[in-house]
Amino acid sequence: DSGVTQTPKHLITATGQRVTLRCSPRSGDLSVYWYQQSLDQGLQFLIHYYNGEERAKGNILERFSAQQFPDLHSELNLSSLELGDSALYFCASSPGTGGGEQYFGPGTRLTVT
Amino acid sequence: DQQVKQNSPSLSVQEGRISILNCDYTNSMFDYFLWYKKYPAEGPTFLISISSIKDKNEDGRFTVFLNKSAKHLSLHIVPSQPGDSAVYFCAASAGLGGGNKLTFGTGTQLKVEL
Repeated sequence: DSGVTQTPKHLITATGQRVTLRCSPRSGDLSVYWYQQSLDQGLQFLIHYYNGEERAKGNILERFSAQQFPDLHSELNLSSLELGDSALYFCASSPGTGGGEQYFGPGTRLTVT
Repeated sequence: DQQVKQNSPSLSVQEGRISILNCDYTNSMFDYFLWYKKYPAEGPTFLISISSIKDKNEDGRFTVFLNKSAKHLSLHIVPSQPGDSAVYFCAASAGLGGGNKLTFGTGTQLKVEL
């Protein structure tokens, strides 16, 4: 158990809908990262938040947004969903921004039908 | 552009023997490298890491070697155990300048057979 929690574990929704994925980092970690793992691809970095502020963006679509709240939990919002958005979404956390290990949650499997 | 490459999608090894997983990278700004292990339906689990100032790091049965001139790293597992069967991902980061994002390879499925 990494100490990172993600909810829900599974999510099935229709095209055009909007969903919110939630992540709670390990106790004491200030950084939260979101990654997407599609069927035929490795893990792709989406976005990084540190202590409530956005620090880096990767290949995140404009239809996707994220935020980190004062209690350090984070939410990833996916809107106008398309079939291609079906993937595993992982959240990871780390203590700071100085590099090093990131600890991953169990992921949310999103299926868009 | 795949900056971190794991060219072997799968590897099969007998229990007790050495498993060697390989990873190549192209971005010379990478200065920290990690290996993760992933079981189905679970998140990646951190295994071992190495900074670019070192060429070897060891933790129990796991050793990571880094060859900066060749932009190559490898993970050695000795002895291999059936519980090691999983997908192994190599990852790299470029420190502060890279926003600490991890760039992952596509993974190698290791199967340790009895």
